[in-house]
Amino acid sequence: KQEVTQIPAALSVPEGENLVLNCSFTDSAIYNLQWFRQDPGKGLTSLLLIQSSQREQTSGRLNASLDKSSGRSTLYIAASQPGDSATYLCAVTALNTGNQFYFGTGTSLTVIP
Amino acid sequence: KAGVTQTPRYLIKTRGQQVTLSCSPISGHRSVSWYQQTPGQGLQFLFEYFSETQRNKGNFPGRFSGRQFSNSRSEMNVSTLELGDSALYLCASSYRDINHEQYFGPGTRLTVT
Repeated sequence: KQEVTQIPAALSVPEGENLVLNCSFTDSAIYNLQWFRQDPGKGLTSLLLIQSSQREQTSGRLNASLDKSSGRSTLYIAASQPGDSATYLCAVTALNTGNQFYFGTGTSLTVIP
Repeated sequence: KAGVTQTPRYLIKTRGQQVTLSCSPISGHRSVSWYQQTPGQGLQFLFEYFSETQRNKGNFPGRFSGRQFSNSRSEMNVSTLELGDSALYLCASSYRDINHEQYFGPGTRLTVT
């Protein structure tokens, strides 16, 4: 069964710092990996989707990489801002379970002004 | 283009009652998936529907059921509510049944007393 782990569970950084969030998964047979952010009590906002054949995706200050063979992904956030404070979740879909996401437990990020 | 909508947004029910939640996907999307989110268990997959057919089901008791209509709108039903069913219920929609970006709604917060 696919298991997804995110480290660290919580992170606090001063505004302006660059940071990296980590995601690892146990089974490399994935279709894709998607990064989300979740604000308290709200739904999930899609940040980046990486197909299994891709190595990275970029959107603004965000860059996500994927190393399928080692079962790892990183989300890089440049020049962090207080508005980036949220929980960040990574999720993978597997080859035999269609659109079902296997979620990590998330990293709670606080950016201090 | 309108996003995924879920109704109602908040719901309070009593143990033993039943509840129906609704999810309207993004126009043109035919896949709808449901998730339960709790502080202790994180995000857990309930089921996925594509073109009115249940394609995949998570490890939840039979009290949890769903369906999808011809316009792709989906409903989720929970019968004989238990205190442990209190959670944020999220739905996600996607254009395809596999390997395509998924978008989440704002969720329905269910409280069982």
